[in-house]
This record gives sequence, structure tokens and C-alpha cells, in this order.
Amino acid sequence: GALVYQYPRRTICKSGTSMRMECQAVGFQATSVAWYRQSPQKTFELIALSTVNSAIKYEQNFTQEKFPISHPNLSFSSMTVLNAYLEDRGLYLCGAREAGGYAEQFFGPGTRLTVL
Amino acid sequence: GDSVTQTEGLVTVTEGLPVMLNCTYQTAYSDVAFFWYVQYLNEAPKLLLRSSTDNKRTEHQGFHATLHKSSSSFHLQKSSVQLSDSALYYCALSHTGNYKYVFGAGTRLKVIA
Repeated sequence: GALVYQYPRRTICKSGTSMRMECQAVGFQATSVAWYRQSPQKTFELIALSTVNSAIKYEQNFTQEKFPISHPNLSFSSMTVLNAYLEDRGLYLCGAREAGGYAEQFFGPGTRLTVL
Repeated sequence: GDSVTQTEGLVTVTEGLPVMLNCTYQTAYSDVAFFWYVQYLNEAPKLLLRSSTDNKRTEHQGFHATLHKSSSSFHLQKSSVQLSDSALYYCALSHTGNYKYVFGAGTRLKVIA
């Protein structure tokens, strides 16, 4: 079956520091990977959508300079939160899907970021 | 751009009673698929239902939804809820040629005894 792993599951970092999180797809080809942030205030926010062999598209209010993403192959993606501050707290979810307009998006369990 | 609107906030239902979670959408595209995802506490969202056919009922795990393009709706229903149905429910759309999912804000369903 299709599975998506994320690690770390939880992380704590000091304000102003950076942390990297990873997303691994198993059992299918992750042609596209979407990174989301889920917080009590704003529920589900799409940060960026990465499609293999295409440019990464960031949503409004999110930038490559703040959330650089790597998607080197059909099974792996990583995202870094640079200079994390309190407003960056939340659960970061990775959603991966195969090619095809109606393909299901498989979610990882998320990386919970706490900023001190 | 595309948008999805859901019943806001918390919906509380007594066990054994029916529930309907509203989902309406706006899109300029005709070739679109619609999804309901469910997220239980401390778990990842999982696909519950998927449909792209107008006026066709889709069912899974006791839940059902019918896409009505005439009213731009894809409401989620269950005739008799269980305590284990308590979770966050998200409605989403995606269209061919675009890998992006557009999610609604989510509706929290709380089932009480």
C-alpha cells in the first residue's frame, strides 16, 4: 500500500534558528508533493506545491527564502523552516500524490514544530 | 481562483442520529474531482470519499456524498453517526492538469452519547 513517512515527528527549536523536515513516499511515485501547515488559527494552509521536473510553486505569504524545498526524486522531499519564530509553530504536513488529475493525495503524520 | 467552503467550526451530533456536513465550491474548470478527507486526533488526514461524476452517489464507511454541479455542492452525510466518527472533516477539489488540492477550512464533528 501507499504510505508517507515524515520525520522528525516532533521538534523544538529556538527562535531564529532553522530546522529541516523530511517526507518519504513508499509504495507509489510521488510525482507531486504539497507541504501544508496546520495550526489552530488557520487550519490547513498550503505552503507550496512541488512537482518533479517543474518549478516549485509557493502560495501567497510563503516564500522560497523562508521555506526552501527540495524534491529530488519520486520518493523524497524535504523542507526547511529558516529563522523560525513563534508564528511558524504548527503541524507541518506533507501530502504526496501520483500523476493524474484525480489521484488521491496521501498524507504523512506531520512534523510538529515548537518554537521557543 | 478555486475555493471550497465548508460548514464552519464544530458540529455536535448525538450518537445514532444523522449528520450532514456542508461543502460548496467555486471553480472555473469543468474537469474537476472532489474529495472528503477525515483526520482523527493525532493522525494524518485520510481519504474518505472521492467523486467526479455529477449526480452520482459515492459511499464509504457509512458516509455518502453526491456531487451536484447545479448547486456546486458536495455535502457529506451519514444516516447514523457513531462515537468513533468524531474527527475533522475536510472537503477538497482538484482538477486535471493541476496537482494542487484546494481544501476547505474543515469541520469538526463531535459525536456525543
